[in-house]
Amino acid sequence: GENVEQHPSTLSVQEGDSAVIKCTYSDSASNYFPWYKQELGKRPQLIIDIRSNVGEKKDQRIAVTLNKTAKHFSLHITETQPEDSAVYFCAARNLGTSYGKLTFGQGTILTVHP
Amino acid sequence: NAGVMQNPRHLVRRRGQEARLRCSPMKGHSHVYWYRQLPEEGLKFMVYLQKENIIDESGMPKERFSAEFPKEGPSILRIQQVVRGDSAAYFCASQRQGEETQYFGPGTRLLVL
Repeated sequence: GENVEQHPSTLSVQEGDSAVIKCTYSDSASNYFPWYKQELGKRPQLIIDIRSNVGEKKDQRIAVTLNKTAKHFSLHITETQPEDSAVYFCAARNLGTSYGKLTFGQGTILTVHP
Repeated sequence: NAGVMQNPRHLVRRRGQEARLRCSPMKGHSHVYWYRQLPEEGLKFMVYLQKENIIDESGMPKERFSAEFPKEGPSILRIQQVVRGDSAAYFCASQRQGEETQYFGPGTRLLVL
């Protein structure tokens, strides 16, 4: 089955700096890669996603890049703000015939210091 | 349009009791997924259901755990004879047929004493 590895496990940056979180996946059949943000005690919320037919996607301060050959994808947050502090999870999924499960990485605790 | 609803939000059970967790998907969503999150860990898939059908239960323990999504009413995750290791946050997510985004509920935090 699919296995997703996420690094780093913790990331501490100063407000205004950029933050990068990286994930690798094992199943070449995976073709959909969402990123979720989870604040303490809250539900995971989708912040951006990318399909395998696209190499990069951007939404304001957030961007995701995908390298299908190397089977890795990254989340980039620019001009970080204290409210970006949360746990971030990457995930992979095969949007095949069954629209099945998400396989999550272990999470990255991002702390943005004012 | 209300989001995914889960209840109860917190549930305390003693070892050996039963836990019933409910999930009401977003309106128009026919796919429900259950995930478990242990403290300071990622989310692990348990089961995927569509109305009246279990599509994939590969992540759900064979013993003590069961899930259903009836034609009417919420999806139910049932844990019989709970043990301390069942203490976790249980999230459900729902999705519309043919779309890719899964929307998560607020979770049920189960504590087994």
